[in-house]
Amino acid sequence: EAGVAQSPRYKIIEKRQSVAFWCNPISGHATLYWYQQILGQGPKLLIQFQNNGVVDDSQLPKDRFSAERLKGVDSTLKIQPAKLEDSAVYLCASSPMTVSGNTIYFGEGSWLTVV
Amino acid sequence: QQQVKQSPQSLIVQKGGISIINCAYENTAFDYFPWYQQFPGKGPALLIAIRPDVSEKKEGRFTISFNKSAKQFSLHIMDSQPGDSATYFCAARATGNQFYFGTGTSLTVIP
Repeated sequence: EAGVAQSPRYKIIEKRQSVAFWCNPISGHATLYWYQQILGQGPKLLIQFQNNGVVDDSQLPKDRFSAERLKGVDSTLKIQPAKLEDSAVYLCASSPMTVSGNTIYFGEGSWLTVV
Repeated sequence: QQQVKQSPQSLIVQKGGISIINCAYENTAFDYFPWYQQFPGKGPALLIAIRPDVSEKKEGRFTISFNKSAKQFSLHIMDSQPGDSATYFCAARATGNQFYFGTGTSLTVIP
């Protein structure tokens, strides 16, 4: 079974520029997450989708971050304009839609450096 | 507000020793507690998980101990090996399949 795919793996941009990350979840997984992981910290949820609807985006800085999940499969996360503090790993994860006992599966992450 | 508190931040253990990482939570609605292992440059990978109706779960050298009344759970790695050197995250699941992560523990196992 293919895992969660993310691209690009690495990106370096200047502050105030824009960047977009793409995620393809595990086939059949209804729930998709974007997490931000700053070096030395645990993953922080940015946005959670159930199919193509948003479940939770309370920690998404909406003035600069946006995300969409068209057709309930792939997703993109965009940052515009980027700030220095956005330097982090952006982890996409997916989960099947079961009531109990399931967990989330992470991709390898997209590493962003803002200079 | 940190939903799941994890300690220690870093841990150094001799090969063959026992590594213990602790987590605590406040939200009694959490219903599932996984542990993730993360190697440098990789995404977190599920290691072992437990539900709150069980006090202990063991898989090979890895054991989760769960204390529902104290709202604490811990990961024990028996016979720690250099290959176990990684960052470990505890997590907790709330309703709606929302997961909250601890701040991570960097484990180094010395040969």
